[in-house]
Amino acid sequence: AQTVTQSQPEMSVQEAETVTLSCTYDTSESDYYLFWYKQPPSRQMILVIRQEAYKQQNATENRFSVNFQKAAKSFSLKISDSQLGDAAMYFCAYNQGGKLIFGQGTELSVKP
Amino acid sequence: EAGVAQSPRYKIIEKRQSVAFWCNPISGHATLYWYQQILGQGPKLLIQFQNNGVVDDSQLPKDRFSAERLKGVDSTLKIQPAKLEDSAVYLCASSLLGSGSLADTQYFGPGTRLTVL
Repeated sequence: AQTVTQSQPEMSVQEAETVTLSCTYDTSESDYYLFWYKQPPSRQMILVIRQEAYKQQNATENRFSVNFQKAAKSFSLKISDSQLGDAAMYFCAYNQGGKLIFGQGTELSVKP
Repeated sequence: EAGVAQSPRYKIIEKRQSVAFWCNPISGHATLYWYQQILGQGPKLLIQFQNNGVVDDSQLPKDRFSAERLKGVDSTLKIQPAKLEDSAVYLCASSLLGSGSLADTQYFGPGTRLTVL
């Protein structure tokens, strides 16, 4: 069965600094999609970025980028120039046949 | 474009009572999902519909949970009777493409926080 592991329950970053959140996954599939979702205290899950396994180029969305290492089954999220509004729970997710398998989440706090 | 709507936002009930949650997906989205998110954990899929048919309900506790998606649009999730361990946030999501599409992006509603006393 596919599993997603986020080994950092909590992370902290200084405003304007860079932080990297880790995620590893296990799958026997060759093509798949990976996602990072943000969940602020309002509870609504917001898509941050997604990556197709067949694309070697790492996805980038403004201040958010990923480091996708397919052989290592690693999918980390880098947030540059951190802002106070980035404080939230971040979930890594794997798309298994249309349903998302989520990791346990990493709570990110941003210090002013 | 309107997002996924859910109601109520909060619900507090006694154990053994029943409760229902409602979800209205993004217009035109074929697939609808219900997830359960227990405090401190990632969401877990309960049931997935494509149009008004069930695609996956393998994780739905069918002795107490039921869900329907009439006319392939709105959906209702019901718990009867509720147990203490059902306390969680219930998230509804929808996606445009059919189930099984790896590229399909799911859009989530604000969730319903259920507390069972």
